[in-house]
Amino acid sequence: NFLLTQPHSVSESPGKTVTISCTRSSGAIASSYVHWYQQRPGSVPTIVISENYQRPSGVPDRFSGSIDSSSNSASLTVSGLKTEDEADYYCQSYDSRGLVFGGGTKLTVL
Amino acid sequence: QLQLQESGPRLVRPSETLSLTCTVSGASISSTNHFWGWVRQPPGKGLEWIGSVHYSGNTYQNPSLKSRVTISVDTSKDQFSLKLTSVTALDTAVYYCARHHGETPEYFFDSWSQGTLVTVSS
Repeated sequence: NFLLTQPHSVSESPGKTVTISCTRSSGAIASSYVHWYQQRPGSVPTIVISENYQRPSGVPDRFSGSIDSSSNSASLTVSGLKTEDEADYYCQSYDSRGLVFGGGTKLTVL
Repeated sequence: QLQLQESGPRLVRPSETLSLTCTVSGASISSTNHFWGWVRQPPGKGLEWIGSVHYSGNTYQNPSLKSRVTISVDTSKDQFSLKLTSVTALDTAVYYCARHHGETPEYFFDSWSQGTLVTVSS
């Protein structure tokens, strides 16, 4: 099965923009959807970006997603950072053998 | 409103079988063309997909756990279940049940249970 590699942690100041990457080890990143979840401490994961770049209802437009075939990676961008965005973020994708989650990225807003 | 709730022992002895059941309310497992899945999260670590099942009985399992995992569905009770055999301390985790947004496991999880911590210890 493939792996999804994320940076362990990122940090940025309130009001700034941060991008979290998710690199697929084998198989094309565009071959299956990439989804992004937010998990605040002690809480259940919630979807923030589905199907590469779709923003589910209720998710602020400060969150955006993209994929880049040249680097075989997906990205989650959060603009206008707020302290409430501080959380762990996980990418998730799929192939015929099943689902894979990235290792998660801890976003610190300081 | 869709709700998912796990039930089962919170403490399992090493080498025994972990068994959890997820009860779905607010929707019928067989009336919606969704896959249903299990995800776990060891304390302080990331998410790991265990497997997913369709009401038809079609299942997908994480290759790394496949030899130990059985996932089944009981449409008459709107439940799906997880059995994980030969557990060790490495299987200690919060276990979530969740619903895929669509008719294949490619779709994201759109509803999650609150999660239950299962500890493997003698």
